[in-house]
Order: sequence, then structure tokens, then C-alpha cells
Amino acid sequence: GAVVSQHPSRVICKSGTSVKIECRSLDFQATTMFWYRQFPKQSLMLMATSNEGSKATYEQGVEKDKFLINHASLTLSTLTVTSAHPEDSSFYICSGGGVAQNEQFFGPGTRLTVL
Amino acid sequence: GDSVTQMEGPVTLSEEAFLTINCTYTATGYPSLFWYVQYPGEGLQLLLKATKADDKGSNKGFEATYRKETTSFHLEKGSVQVSDSAVYFCALSDGGATNKLIFGTGTLLAVQP
Repeated sequence: GAVVSQHPSRVICKSGTSVKIECRSLDFQATTMFWYRQFPKQSLMLMATSNEGSKATYEQGVEKDKFLINHASLTLSTLTVTSAHPEDSSFYICSGGGVAQNEQFFGPGTRLTVL
Repeated sequence: GDSVTQMEGPVTLSEEAFLTINCTYTATGYPSLFWYVQYPGEGLQLLLKATKADDKGSNKGFEATYRKETTSFHLEKGSVQVSDSAVYFCALSDGGATNKLIFGTGTLLAVQP
């Protein structure tokens, strides 16, 4: 199946700093990429949807200026958490829209801890 | 809006027991339905899917049937193994232009030897 990678897998940062998370589709072109946030023992909450070369569409309640998403190519999307605070600590997961209808391929996730 | 409700866990079973994880959905259109599995420390993997009413998705001994009349997509397996221990997520996609997925809260399955 299609493979999506995320980097880093785990990051710890100080409050007030910015963190960038990369999401890559390794063997397919993802015209659409999705960013999710998962809290402990909870479901995945969609944060935003991005299409290559255009601005991301954010879900209600997600701060656009805090979670910057760039989808520069068909194989790379980045999520930058700006001025991170402890409440931003979470598990961030990306997925890429696959060639099969309605199918997404998920990355392994990035654990962000803000001290 | 569209939503997915699945049974709360954890579900604890002995090896070779029968598994059912209930999932019901609310949708205005004709969604596609999915079960994803998340093994410890790993990302989500598609387990099975069904795109229209009465379709049955199956994979690795797991099955789920798209029931439009009861708006359900219950996951079943006849004989679970320890290696099936994971979190299972039911999800739907309305098939719109963005193919957004809406997830249930997840059900933790723990299979004991």
C-alpha cells in the first residue's frame, strides 16, 4: 500500500518556540493532505485540509495563524506550530489522499511535547 | 452534521473469543464507511471499507456490513488473537470533493492469552 512518512516522530520544545512537522507521501502523489490532532484516548480531530499549491482549509475552531500548513508539492506538506504552548502538546497525524476513491493513507504521527 | 458513534472500550477478550465492536453513523448523504486500526506506537491503517449499502468489507478475518436501514457498520471477528490488540476506529467519508473522514472515538481492544 501507499506509504506516508512523518518527521520528526517525536519532538520536545520550550514554550514560545515554533515547531515544524513534515509529512511526505513516499510512493504516490497526494493532491490532498489532511492534518489531524489526537488527544490521549480520544479520536482524531481534523485540523485542516490542504491541496497542493493552494491555501489550506481549516476546520472550525482551529487557529490559522497558530497552525501554519504548507503543501508545496504533491509529496510534501508541512505543519508549523507557531509559538507553541503546553496546551498544544498532542499527537499530530497527517494523511494523504490516495488514488483509490475516498481512501487516505496515514503517517505514523508526531508526538509534540511543549514544556 | 455527519457523525460516527462507536462503543466505548476498553474491550477485553480472551484469545479465540468472538469480537463485535458496534458503530453507528449519522449522515445526510450516502457515505463510505471504514474501519481503521491503530497498533501501539503506529499510525492508522485501513482495515476494511464499504462504499454502498449491503456491501461487506473484510480483511484479516474481520468483517463489517454496511447496513443503511440501521445506519450501522459493526466490526466482527470470529476468533481474536493477541496480535489483534489495538485501537479500532470507525469512520465515514461523505465522498465530497475533499474526501474528509469523520472518526468515532475509537475502541481499545485488549486480547489476553
